[in-house]
Formats: sequence, C-alpha cells, structure tokens
Amino acid sequence: DAMVIQNPRYQVTQFGKPVTLSCSQTLNHNVMYWYQQKSSQAPKLLFHYYDKDFNNEADTPDNFQSRRPNTSFCFLDIRSPGLGDAAMYLCATASGTYTDTQYFGPGTRLTVL
Amino acid sequence: ILNVEQSPQSLHVQEGDSTNFTCSFPSSNFYALHWYRWETAKSPEALFVMTLNGDEKKKGRISATLNTKEGYSYLYIKGSQPEDSATYLCAFLPNTGNQFYFGTGTSLTVIP
Repeated sequence: DAMVIQNPRYQVTQFGKPVTLSCSQTLNHNVMYWYQQKSSQAPKLLFHYYDKDFNNEADTPDNFQSRRPNTSFCFLDIRSPGLGDAAMYLCATASGTYTDTQYFGPGTRLTVL
Repeated sequence: ILNVEQSPQSLHVQEGDSTNFTCSFPSSNFYALHWYRWETAKSPEALFVMTLNGDEKKKGRISATLNTKEGYSYLYIKGSQPEDSATYLCAFLPNTGNQFYFGTGTSLTVIP
C-alpha cells in the first residue's frame, strides 16, 4: 500500500555519469518535493512542483534538474554527479497548501564512486 | 537560510522512561511547524502539524507543544518503547515563503 514510491532505493554511479532518480505517488497530490539529505545534515529542499509549476530553489546547483511529466511521476536528474552529491534523496508529496502534511517516500541513497 | 535547531542530537533511554526533545526556530515569521518520525529504512512519517501558539497535539504516547513567541516546540514521549526508536525531525515553514526548513533531527534509541 505504498503511497510514495522511490526507485531505486540504492543507486551507485560513477563520477560524472548521469543518473536519474524516480518518484511516483498514488495519492493524486498536487505538490511534489525533492529533498537532499547529506550525512548528519538536515534535509534540504532542491525543487518543488505545485501541479505543473516548477519552483527551483535559488541555491540548487545547475547540475540538478527535475521533470514532472504527469501528476503521478517526478524525476530528479543529476547531469554530472560529483563526490559531493552523495546523499539520501527524498521525494515528498502534499495535497495542496504548504501547511499540509508531507508524505515521504523511503528515499534513494546515492553513492558516487 | 533560516536556522532550525534540534536538541539533543541523540539520546538513549531505557524502555519505560519518558523523554522529550526540542525544536527551535525563528520566532519572528512563524507560519507552521511539522514533526516527523523517521525509522531506519522506512519513509519519514508525519506526526503533527502545528500552526497556533499554545497548540498541544497528542497521538497515543506522543505529544507536542508549540510556543511561537519564543520560537520552540517540544516533543514528549511517555513510557518509551523500543518501537519509538527513530529520528524525529521538525520542519519549520515561515510566513515569507513556501519552503520548509528542517532541523537535523534527534535520534532516539530506546533500550529494552
């Protein structure tokens, strides 16, 4: 009965080799978020979508891109991963307003060799 | 960048003990505060959404209070059980934007 699904759970890539992380939801929520959490740090917002409106946080590196082809799916593309991009990537959804509870996926742990 | 601090960073308690930890946030532009529980290898799970000064919310043995004037929220766990072992995250939403700012979490281990 998973509501927010992230694939893969673990991803290993090589320095500079593009990687795509995926998130899908069965909740039909309008809002989708991508967070990056590095070891011992707070989750940091990279992007969010309100429906099809894309919001890129000011300090999100250009190396990170996102796509939301429909309500259910959202992708995070890392064009040229560096060692500093190794982290847990969390996807979350919310129904509408920004005060609504966020529903998280289990995360994708990215390792960069 | 807004500063959201959680303390302590980690704690170990014996089964049956009650415990509490703190989330501190800027008091000047509060809009909402969320608490999440994140068990290892699982998804973070929402515990509470708090929006009003003086709010007290309860879910089973877990409760939370909110003081927006002084910029803190407490999470209490009464009679801790091993299944309460998790990282507890707070997320602050200011009234100036649409981004949540998370704390680094409090890692709780309940020893049987």
